[in-house]
Amino acid sequence: NAGVTQTPKFQVLKTGQSMTLQCAQDMNHEYMSWYRQDPGMGLRLIHYSVGAGITDQGEVPNGYNVSRSTTEDFPLRLLSAAPSQTSVYFCASGGLGNTIYFGEGSWLTVV
Amino acid sequence: GENVEQHPSTLSVQEGDSAVIKCTYSDSASNYFPWYKQELGKRPQLIIDIRSNVGEKKDQRIAVTLNKTAKHFSLHITETQPEDSAVYFCAASKGTGGYQKVTFGIGTKLQVIP
Repeated sequence: NAGVTQTPKFQVLKTGQSMTLQCAQDMNHEYMSWYRQDPGMGLRLIHYSVGAGITDQGEVPNGYNVSRSTTEDFPLRLLSAAPSQTSVYFCASGGLGNTIYFGEGSWLTVV
Repeated sequence: GENVEQHPSTLSVQEGDSAVIKCTYSDSASNYFPWYKQELGKRPQLIIDIRSNVGEKKDQRIAVTLNKTAKHFSLHITETQPEDSAVYFCAASKGTGGYQKVTFGIGTKLQVIP
């Protein structure tokens, strides 16, 4: 049982490049979400999904896209990377009862 | 939407003393309040949670209290140890029939001084 798996763990991008952060969970959770963590800003919700085919925006969705074609996977796409998107990204999933579990994080630097 | 305020942002205590972190929330419909601990370079991990039908919950040295009227909840750590040093996040959500998004506080960096 791997829990929540994120890849890559580290990535450096040039401004304007696009990339996808992958997230997979093997706990059959309906809820999946992406957060970004910046110094002094806590964990801010980017996008979330309450089931396959259903996604919604969080607090800071601009510049990011998501899709949920399966229960297991919830990729986060950066369309045109900007230095302001330099951050640590956490994927999280949850089941009944609202307890969520985080992946190990992805450290992204945009230069 | 929900807004969660957390304070203090930093907290230093001597080993063996108690630490208290306080949070307030804005949405009176929120009914689930977890606390997460994040060690440096690691993922946040759930340490304790409380639901709105309970006023207090304890797990060894950690306890959480909830005041629904004041929309206030707190984390209490007794007999602190150096390994308690980390960033602690409070959160709030409402789970009415389906899953709802979780809103986090800004975090408290706790330093336990040996």
